[in-house]
Parts: sequence; C-alpha cells; structure tokens
Amino acid sequence: ETGVTQSPTHLIKTRGQQVTLRCSSQSGHNTVSWYQQALGQGPQFIFQYYREEENGRGNFPPRFSGLQFPNYSSELNVNALELDDSALYLCASSLGTAEAFFGQGTRLTVV
Amino acid sequence: EDKVVQSPLSLVVHEGDTVTLNCSYEVTNFRSLLWYKQEKKAPTFLFMLTSSGIEKKSGRLSSILDKKELFSILNITATQTGDSAIYLCAVRVDSGTYKYIFGTGTRLKVLA
Repeated sequence: ETGVTQSPTHLIKTRGQQVTLRCSSQSGHNTVSWYQQALGQGPQFIFQYYREEENGRGNFPPRFSGLQFPNYSSELNVNALELDDSALYLCASSLGTAEAFFGQGTRLTVV
Repeated sequence: EDKVVQSPLSLVVHEGDTVTLNCSYEVTNFRSLLWYKQEKKAPTFLFMLTSSGIEKKSGRLSSILDKKELFSILNITATQTGDSAIYLCAVRVDSGTYKYIFGTGTRLKVLA
C-alpha cells in the first residue's frame, strides 16, 4: 500500500457527460500528478499540481482540468466525455522531486 | 518529441531464468529514470536512477543507467512466478515544470 487513495475504483459514464475523479495523496506529499493509461499502453501524463497550482501539463485538451486542495488532495475533471476517454486514471503523489507513488486507479468506461 | 521505448514488448520465461529488460530514451532536460512494476492497477516503485554506471539492487532485481548511450536495463535473476507483471520505465524531465514520460512497458510472464 502506498498511502495514495483514489475514488471511485470503477465508473461508467455516458458520452457527453462530465466526471470527477478524486485522489488523496500520501501524507507529507505536496505534489500530485494524473495519468491516463489506455489498455496495453503506458501511462500518459495529463498534468501535475504542486501546492495548489498546475505546474506541468501533457497533450490533453482543456476539457481535462484539475484542482489541488490545501491538504494536497486533488481532483481530475473531464467534461464532454468521449468514448476514447475510457481508460485507467492513475494519480501519483510525491514530495517535490522524489519518486512518485501511485494509487490503485479509477477505471472509467464511457459508453 | 520526448520518447521512451521499452523492449521487448513481451517475454515468456521459466522459473529460475534470468531476464534483462531494456529502456531507451530521447528526451530533453533529463532528470532521472524510474522503473515500476504493474501487476493489476497501481504501478509500484522499484528504482530511481540519476547517475550513470551506478547499479541499484534490491534482492533479485537490479538496474543500471547509461546516460551517454541513453538507456537503462532492469535485470531479474532467478525469476519466480510472482515476478509476472508489466514493467514500466519512466523518465522524469524538468523544463521548469516536471513530468514523467512512460514507455509502453514490457509484459513478463514467468511459467512454473
């Protein structure tokens, strides 16, 4: 167990809907990153939050947005869901530049 | 464009065999290279490498980085069925902000 918890574990949504995924970082970690992992692929970096500010973003459209709260927990929001958004969404937390520890992920299915 | 390439894509061995997994990268602003093991969902951290030529070891697993040739290897000796997993290589880049770039992974299956 890494101490990083994500909720929900599974989710089914309809195309066009919006979804919010949540992540509680490991105690003491101030940096949270989100990744999308499609079947058979490595995780793709979505964005990273450090002390409540976004400080890095991958090649994802603006309908992917996020927040980090004062307790360093984080949310990933996806608007206007598309079928291709179906994936495992992973949250990872770290303390600054140290190694990142991953949560169990949220499996999102868009139908 | 930054990229990380892992090989082989998949591997089937028998218990007791030794395996070598490869990771090559082409990135700007390299900071470190990490190895993760992914069995079901959460990748679990194995090693972080920042300096060339210094082997990191944990039990039967070891890894080394070559920053001149831009690659790393992960060795697993005396493999066990519990080593069956996807092994992910990630490179951390830092250009003011930092992010991890992952390879597609190597799927290892160890047969009893």
